[in-house]
Amino acid sequence: AQKVTQAQTEISVVEKEDVTLDCVYETRDTTYYLFWYKQPPSGELVFLIRRNSFDEQNEISGRYSWNFQKSTSSFNFTITASQVVDSAVYFCALSELDTGGFKTIFGAGTRLFVKA
Amino acid sequence: DTEVTQTPKHLVMGMTNKKSLKCEQHMGHRAMYWYKQKAKKPPELMFVYSYEKLSINESVPSRFSPECPNSSLLNLHLHALQPEDSALYLCASSQGVPNEQFFGPGTRLTVL
Repeated sequence: AQKVTQAQTEISVVEKEDVTLDCVYETRDTTYYLFWYKQPPSGELVFLIRRNSFDEQNEISGRYSWNFQKSTSSFNFTITASQVVDSAVYFCALSELDTGGFKTIFGAGTRLFVKA
Repeated sequence: DTEVTQTPKHLVMGMTNKKSLKCEQHMGHRAMYWYKQKAKKPPELMFVYSYEKLSINESVPSRFSPECPNSSLLNLHLHALQPEDSALYLCASSQGVPNEQFFGPGTRLTVL
């Protein structure tokens, strides 16, 4: 079973539209960590946010906001007033304890196209 | 200095060659990682080093051999690779595990 599901393979929006990227995770651990990373066309992954399983507070950073809901095992990411520079692949990732330590598993990614 | 550097940027090698990928960070991070990423796929974890000790090996074939000479350096030695090993190899580091990871630009490897 997939540990991290990003059901949206590709999303295309027009600049200034709001867009939400979905992430659903699966774990039996009570302690785990969730992340979002951005991979622009240049290829380098950029860290956006980390949340631990004990902190369900939502977070806003500029045009970015994240909604963490343990009840639905979801950690969704919203970009408000999207811009062309937001075009990238966005990965949701889960770190959970495994043999040897915490292991990070990435979702399949959502490719976001923002058109001018 | 908040970056992870990787050399070379591109590498083409034959199946009988031996080559090494290098990764360096000067952020004082104590965990370093190797990932493999195929086109249009997510990164797949290969190895994790924590405090210079190999803590996770994701059943990677022995033709990939990691080495962590010190806390700032991470190498990946390659030998007798197969064409299906062609991919982007990403190095990352973090303060510890499971903190947020900082990624290098990657080495694009082509095996002929």
